[in-house]
Amino acid sequence: EIVLTQSPGTLSLSPGERATLSCRASPSLSSTYLAWYQQKPGQAPRLLIYGASSRAIGIPDRFSGSGSGTDFTLTISSLQAEDVAIYYCQQYCSTPYTFGQGTKLEMK
Amino acid sequence: QVQLVQSGSELKKPGASVKVSCKASGYIFSNYGIHWVRQAPGQGLEWLGWINTNTGNPTYAQDFTGRSVFSLDTSVSTAYLQINSLKAEDTAVYYCARRRVRDVTSDYWGQGTLVTVSS
Repeated sequence: EIVLTQSPGTLSLSPGERATLSCRASPSLSSTYLAWYQQKPGQAPRLLIYGASSRAIGIPDRFSGSGSGTDFTLTISSLQAEDVAIYYCQQYCSTPYTFGQGTKLEMK
Repeated sequence: QVQLVQSGSELKKPGASVKVSCKASGYIFSNYGIHWVRQAPGQGLEWLGWINTNTGNPTYAQDFTGRSVFSLDTSVSTAYLQINSLKAEDTAVYYCARRRVRDVTSDYWGQGTLVTVSS
C-alpha cells in the first residue's frame, strides 16, 4: 500500500499570499498518477488537479500542481478567502487508491 | 448536468446492515465507474473501492473485503453500497463519486450519506 504524507498539517496565511502544500509518497509513484482535492466544510471533495499537474475543468489558474516520484506540490499563487478548505492528495497508481491525511488551509 | 444523488442519513445498531444508494443522471451511467469513499467524523478520506458499471465487476480495498458489497441497478442508473455486520467505527459519511475514463480520478461526487452506528 502506498502511504501519502501531507505537510504541513495546518497552514495559516493572509489573502494574496502564496500557499505551498506538500505530499510525499512512500514508496514512490511509478507515474504521475496523483490528484489533489479540495474539501470545504460540509461539502463533498472537489477535484482540482490530476496527473500531478493538470487542472480539472473550471479550476482557477491560481491552482497549480507539480512533482513526480516521491514529492508532489500543490501551489495556490495568490490566496483568496474562498480557498479556505482542507486539501487532500490521492494516488491512483495502484490500489488501494490512498489519500493523504490532509492539509488544513486557514486565513489569517 | 451530471449529478449523483445519494440516499438519506441512516442510524443503525451494531451488527446490522445498511444499504446506501447513489443515483446518477446527466450522463451515460455505464460509461463511467463509481468509486466509494468514506470519511469518519473529523477525519480524512478513505477509499473503499469501485465498481465497473459496464461489467458490474467490483474492486474492494483490502480492509473492506468481506463486509462490503458494491452492486448496481443499471435500469435506474443507481449504484449501491451495502455494509454488513456494522461496527461503531463504521460511523462516517459515505460518498459515491464518478470515476473518470481518462484516469481514475473522481470528477463528480454525491452529497454524502451519514451512517451512524450506535446502540
